[in-house]
Amino acid sequence: EVQLLESGGGLVQPGGSLRLSCAASGFTFGTYAMNWVRQAPGKGLEWVSAISGSGGTPYYADSVKGRFTISRDNSRDTLYLQMYSLRPEDTAVYYCAKDETYYYDNSADQRGSFDIWGQGTVVTVSS
Amino acid sequence: VVMTQSPLSLPVTLGQPASISCRSSQSLVHSNGNTYFNWFQQRPGQSPRRLIYNVSKRDSGVPDRFSGSGSGTDFTLKISRVEAEDVGVYYCIQATHWPLTFGPGTKVEIK
Repeated sequence: EVQLLESGGGLVQPGGSLRLSCAASGFTFGTYAMNWVRQAPGKGLEWVSAISGSGGTPYYADSVKGRFTISRDNSRDTLYLQMYSLRPEDTAVYYCAKDETYYYDNSADQRGSFDIWGQGTVVTVSS
Repeated sequence: VVMTQSPLSLPVTLGQPASISCRSSQSLVHSNGNTYFNWFQQRPGQSPRRLIYNVSKRDSGVPDRFSGSGSGTDFTLKISRVEAEDVGVYYCIQATHWPLTFGPGTKVEIK
């Protein structure tokens, strides 16, 4: 079964750090780009970050650039999101999502085409 | 790129059609000719689910009452006959320009 399972969420104080993980199964993880998408309580979806299948150039939303780092370990079929300098506005459910492309280059047939989503992990930033 | 959706709330009678509009502040035609635009459905309490990709391609398992169309900056998701299981929030996303951006969502509910 194709599956993504996030973990690592929790309660953290403003200014703190947290690392999220997303374990993939049921597909060849290293051949797909991966993304993080978040949803604040009662709000809509917000794209956070993307990384190609090879782990090359990462992409970030302006709201997290310089504070969050996306990475992946293809040997462990796992995606990560290291979050630093957390703010109350980072409070959200964080989803990992598989994209239908390997690279984000001009040859990509699809982008932002998140066909598989995890169940989400909750991050709460509060004192 | 700013994505706007209308309406933001859509009460629909069962069996009736529904239409959601999504507009982008810039053309979503990439320099390679592709248009990276997709639709997602989020049912209450669930993770999002892809419905339509590349403007008009329906996902496997998605009922054929769902259809996507549009080009450039104007896109539409149509439900030919709304069923109870269609209740939820529908989001568009553009992936032509970085950063990727979602629309604010349209909440579909049954009258």
